[in-house]
Amino acid sequence: EDQVTQSPEALRLQEGESSSLNCSYTVSGLRGLFWYRQDPGKGPEFLFTLYSAGEEKEKERLKATLTKKESFLHITAPKPEDSATYLCAVQVASGGYNKLIFGAGTRLAVHP
Amino acid sequence: DTAVSQTPKYLVTQMGNDKSIKCEQNLGHDTMYWYKQDSKKFLKIMFSYNNKELIINETVPNRFSPKSPDKAHLNLHINSLELGDSAVYFCASSQGPGQEHYGYTFGSGTRLTVV
Repeated sequence: EDQVTQSPEALRLQEGESSSLNCSYTVSGLRGLFWYRQDPGKGPEFLFTLYSAGEEKEKERLKATLTKKESFLHITAPKPEDSATYLCAVQVASGGYNKLIFGAGTRLAVHP
Repeated sequence: DTAVSQTPKYLVTQMGNDKSIKCEQNLGHDTMYWYKQDSKKFLKIMFSYNNKELIINETVPNRFSPKSPDKAHLNLHINSLELGDSAVYFCASSQGPGQEHYGYTFGSGTRLTVV
């Protein structure tokens, strides 16, 4: 069964303290790995899509990387406004189309 | 604003009632989805439509019936609501099969509470 596991469940950082979030997956056929940011009371906001092992993408203080078994979201010198839940999702085939399978997310809190 | 918009944002109703949630996107996307986010925060796909055609139908009770009158709209009707239906329901859209790398755009969610 396709599965996505994110760790840690929650992470508390001081402003400027860099860290990484992990997303490990077991799927029968990966058609892309997505990272989303979700703020309380809002829908997920698209950050990155990664397709191949070794691929990296960056956006401001965020950098996503992908291996054959997992993805990391590196946060460099985070600011309080980076506080949110970060969701990882794998895209898999479903009857000729694609669907996303999400992990439970990592709740990030960045304190001044 | 270009977006995926859902109504209502909050819905509180009694067990056994029938309710509908509406979704509209003005992004010109071909594919729309309904996701359910439960109390443990897992987002799970329920249905997907591509150009008004149902393409994904996960294992969902048949009390849930989606309808897409056109490719910009996707509604979700729920019959005989149960306590376990309480969750946040998200509508989303994407450009279409094979173009999901541009990302899926989500609405802000409808929090359904069944009492």
